Amino acid sequence: NAGVTQTPKFRVLKTGQSMTLLCAQDMNHEYMYWYRQDPGMGLRLIHYSVGEGTTAKGEVPDGYNVSRLKKQNFLLGLESAAPSQTSVYFCASRGQGNTGELFFGEGSRLTVL
Amino acid sequence: GNSVTQMEGPVTLSEEAFLTINCTYTATGYPSLFWYVQYPGEGLQLLLKATKADDKGSNKGFEATYRKETTSFHLEKGSVQVSDSAVYFCALILNYGGSQGNLIFGKGTKLSVKP
Repeated sequence: NAGVTQTPKFRVLKTGQSMTLLCAQDMNHEYMYWYRQDPGMGLRLIHYSVGEGTTAKGEVPDGYNVSRLKKQNFLLGLESAAPSQTSVYFCASRGQGNTGELFFGEGSRLTVL
Repeated sequence: GNSVTQMEGPVTLSEEAFLTINCTYTATGYPSLFWYVQYPGEGLQLLLKATKADDKGSNKGFEATYRKETTSFHLEKGSVQVSDSAVYFCALILNYGGSQGNLIFGKGTKLSVKP
């Protein structure tokens, strides 16, 4: 019953450092997403993937990179962290079909000093 | 463009009060509509959905009706509980025949229910 798992759940970085957030899903879903959630801004889509080996930009992609080398994993990278990237990051996945239901991880809280 | 607008919060109610959270949308085509709920410290989870006009989604005492004529999908509950305290997100997804676009979320409405 794991669903969508994000690691790490908390991280503090200094400006300029790099890090990778890992998202893993065990539901054999085709689609995976990375969102950031900021106060008053709701959820904003960073990048997404419609299948293994494919990625696409969302609403706020700058400063982030992603990879989907395996169907079950979707990695979000920050090459040079900035304070503006302090946020809570959510990964989500969904299967094909007409339901549109997303399954979310519990979130990763990132602070960039 | 396609968008979702929901009432700004926070909304504070007493237990057993009636809840309405307004949501309107703009979409080209025929969207499916959703309400997601985020409890403190957790990710979002689907609360209810409706896939075509006049459909009513319901779950856990919450209801919302897909109104194409007013492009609305308002969330209602007759008697809220303290455990309903959460952030509620309205969302839509566009349907293109057999495929779909990405979910588009509103900014969320925080609900606090006092005992």
